[in-house]
Amino acid sequence: NAGVTQTPKFRILKIGQSMTLQCTQDMNHNYMYWYRQDPGMGLKLIYYSVGAGITDKGEVPNGYNVSRSTTEDFPLRLELAAPSQTSVYFCASRTSASYEQYFGPGTRLTVT
Amino acid sequence: AQSVTQLGSHVSVSEGALVLLRCNYSSSVPPYLFWYVQYPNQGLQLLLKYTSAATLVKGINGFEAEFKKSETSFHLTKPSAHMSDAAEYFCAVSRPKGNEKLTFGTGTRLTIIP
Repeated sequence: NAGVTQTPKFRILKIGQSMTLQCTQDMNHNYMYWYRQDPGMGLKLIYYSVGAGITDKGEVPNGYNVSRSTTEDFPLRLELAAPSQTSVYFCASRTSASYEQYFGPGTRLTVT
Repeated sequence: AQSVTQLGSHVSVSEGALVLLRCNYSSSVPPYLFWYVQYPNQGLQLLLKYTSAATLVKGINGFEAEFKKSETSFHLTKPSAHMSDAAEYFCAVSRPKGNEKLTFGTGTRLTIIP
């Protein structure tokens, strides 16, 4: 049981490039979340999903897209990367019965 | 809307001393409250949670927190700090229903002085 895994761990992008951050969980959790963490700002919710085929915007969705075709996977897509998207990105998941969110180890993204 | 305020972005305590990390919440309905810990270069891990049962909640690693409705507070304490407690701590609030999302505070970095 690996929990929540995220790839890559680190990435440097040039302005205008695109990439997908991968998130997979093996706990059969129906809820999944993407957050970004910036120094002194806590965690901000980007997108979330309550089950396969269902996604919704969080607090800071601009510049990002998500999809949820399976229970296990919840990729985050960055189109036309901007320096403002330099951040640490965390994926999390939980069951509908518990409010405890399980976090992945994060992806550190730098856009230059 | 809900929010949490963590007082003190940095807290330093001596090893063996009391740890007190402050969290105040704002919520239009009785909230669920959480403390998460983040060790360097890792994701967040749940320390403890309040979900409207006992107001004094015990968590992992000797931490506890008390829900005080009259003060809208959920402060985190540990009687005796250990070097391994050095980390960043986040308070979070949620409405107690369905697919409600967590709203995080800005975090408190705890430093332990040997």
